[in-house]
Amino acid sequence: EDKVVQSPLSLVVHEGDTVTLNCSYEVTNFRSLLWYKQEKKAPTFLFMLTSSGIEKKSGRLSSILDKKELFSILNITATQTGDSAVYLCATPRGTSGTYKYIFGTGTRLKVLA
Amino acid sequence: GAVVSQHPSRVICKSGTSVKIECRSLDFQATTMFWYRQFPKQSLMLMATSNEGSKATYEQGVEKDKFLINHASLTLSTLTVTSAHPEDSSFYICSASPLAEYEQYFGPGTRLTVT
Repeated sequence: EDKVVQSPLSLVVHEGDTVTLNCSYEVTNFRSLLWYKQEKKAPTFLFMLTSSGIEKKSGRLSSILDKKELFSILNITATQTGDSAVYLCATPRGTSGTYKYIFGTGTRLKVLA
Repeated sequence: GAVVSQHPSRVICKSGTSVKIECRSLDFQATTMFWYRQFPKQSLMLMATSNEGSKATYEQGVEKDKFLINHASLTLSTLTVTSAHPEDSSFYICSASPLAEYEQYFGPGTRLTVT
């Protein structure tokens, strides 16, 4: 059965800490893995990963994919209170024209000042 | 790039009326658009998938006669909540996927309150 599992479910850290969020997946015909940040509104896109071992980076956030072990991590360095959010990962399931996205339950990150 | 807009951002309507929500991809063409709803502190729930020019595919338990979806062009999809009731009050979010790409960008969401 296709699924996406995120861990931990929640995390509380202090400003300046580094966090690593995990996302494991099982899907037929893997195409991509997506990371999102959701605060009080709709999710905002962070990264799309398709190839193993190639790190994607945006400021203090970075992510990498391991297609052999079927997981991805999202790293946030020097965390700030503005990083507090739910982080979601997702992967498409199905074929072109009939696909949809499977989401993990998310990791709720709280960064304390 | 990859901007998706939604309109309105917030709507309050009376029970029994219909509400239309628009979702537009502003800088790309989207073969597929998705409609989700989300209750507070809960996960996104996929309602339906729409492909341009064809009928939407609804998830199990979602009434297609109540939630009408039209995907008339490669940049516009609409969701109409017909005969809205208070239990339809929720946060509705659309997303769009560019042509031939397996990535997804979300609109900012529409908060619907039915009184």
